[in-house]
Amino acid sequence: DQQVKQNSPSLSVQEGRISILNCDYTNSMFDYFLWYKKYPAEGPTFLISISSIKDKNEDGRFTVFLNKSAKHLSLHIVPSQPGDSAVYFCAASDAGGTSYGKLTFGQGTILTVHP
Amino acid sequence: ETGVTQSPTHLIKTRGQQVTLRCSSQSGHNTVSWYQQALGQGPQFIFQYYREEENGRGNFPPRFSGLQFPNYSSELNVNALELDDSALYLCASSATQGAGSEKLFFGSGTQLSVL
Repeated sequence: DQQVKQNSPSLSVQEGRISILNCDYTNSMFDYFLWYKKYPAEGPTFLISISSIKDKNEDGRFTVFLNKSAKHLSLHIVPSQPGDSAVYFCAASDAGGTSYGKLTFGQGTILTVHP
Repeated sequence: ETGVTQSPTHLIKTRGQQVTLRCSSQSGHNTVSWYQQALGQGPQFIFQYYREEENGRGNFPPRFSGLQFPNYSSELNVNALELDDSALYLCASSATQGAGSEKLFFGSGTQLSVL
């Protein structure tokens, strides 16, 4: 039962263009969403998050959009840089319950940004 | 400020053996979570420890157990290893319970191979 899904295993974009990574979830109890980035041989690194009371959160080149009715979120990276090439994981939490710190992750999307 | 450190980085065991993985939390963090990441998948929550007590468990059998010590470091123990236990094991720490605790800080992981 995959409660968080990233249906695109990989994405390739040109440097300077926009990268859009998508994530869908099925559990309506999820109320906090995060994106993590992972380089080879390193642990995932927190990138950006959004609470379910918002529909957009922006941090520099990174923006996360949340569509609760569609149970869909997306991460936009503008402009994309070669250093952004990594695996991106979408994660979700039902923080209002007793699951503090328990995240449910998607399968990941490999982003490659070409110079 | 030191980050999350895990040891060993790589480990090879045979089926039926027992293994102990170790983690030192980021300075000031009192909550530790363990995740299993199989090849091509996202991290999957094993359990979390807060103030030396298990505080939430994912869908893993009892042969997966853990400890948290007064200095907030942690161990993950796996008994009766099976081939499917081969994975990257990630330790993550966070500062507090409650809002914001979902922002986990991950170590680089221990790559376990069971032969």
